[in-house]
Amino acid sequence: GESVGLHLPTLSVQEGDNSIINCAYSNSASDYFIWYKQESGKGPQFIIDIRSNMDKRQGQRVTVLLNKTVKHLSLQIAATQPGDSAVYFCAESVSGYSTLTFGKGTMLLVSP
Amino acid sequence: EPEVTQTPSHQVTQMGQEVILRCVPISNHLYFYWYRQILGQKVEFLVSFYNNEISEKSEIFDDQFSVERPDGSNFTLKIRSTKLEDSAMYFCASATRGLTNEKLFFGSGTQLSVL
Repeated sequence: GESVGLHLPTLSVQEGDNSIINCAYSNSASDYFIWYKQESGKGPQFIIDIRSNMDKRQGQRVTVLLNKTVKHLSLQIAATQPGDSAVYFCAESVSGYSTLTFGKGTMLLVSP
Repeated sequence: EPEVTQTPSHQVTQMGQEVILRCVPISNHLYFYWYRQILGQKVEFLVSFYNNEISEKSEIFDDQFSVERPDGSNFTLKIRSTKLEDSAMYFCASATRGLTNEKLFFGSGTQLSVL
């Protein structure tokens, strides 16, 4: 049957490399941002979040950077592992509204 | 870690038929959500639900869609008369307080295919 391509930006890295995934968000009123990881056949899984009063936040092997001036968000993954292979989505929300607006997603492929 | 569970994992239906997608949110959560993801596209918000009523809904959530919490554990999404364009992965999510800086827990999704 016909197959439909995902048409996602793809980042291919070697195991052990550092990965940087970028996201441009849309709403200048957004003040809370989250990165989600989505493995094949699974729902989005929370990775890390950041509020608009911060420009950097670190987790375990992950760092999120926020540049409000240009409405840009990035996710840095240190020492990328094959298990990090997934689609990564940024999401944004506005205070007072609990709904999330998701970005398009980037597929990360990690080769051993 | 507690999980949001969704059934069925796959649902195939004929255009015009009604479908009900089922979700069991995490037990102490009070806010419930449905999102959907058409193949290759963004995850899109459909509806949020709190205290037995809809809190917010998107323009996608038209009169063909409804949500219900029929008992203390299940949260359902009904599509009355399915259309081809309803084919998507439907994700249920839940949260404790529904605050903007609170983590949402997503289920693994139901893949709906409308033929």
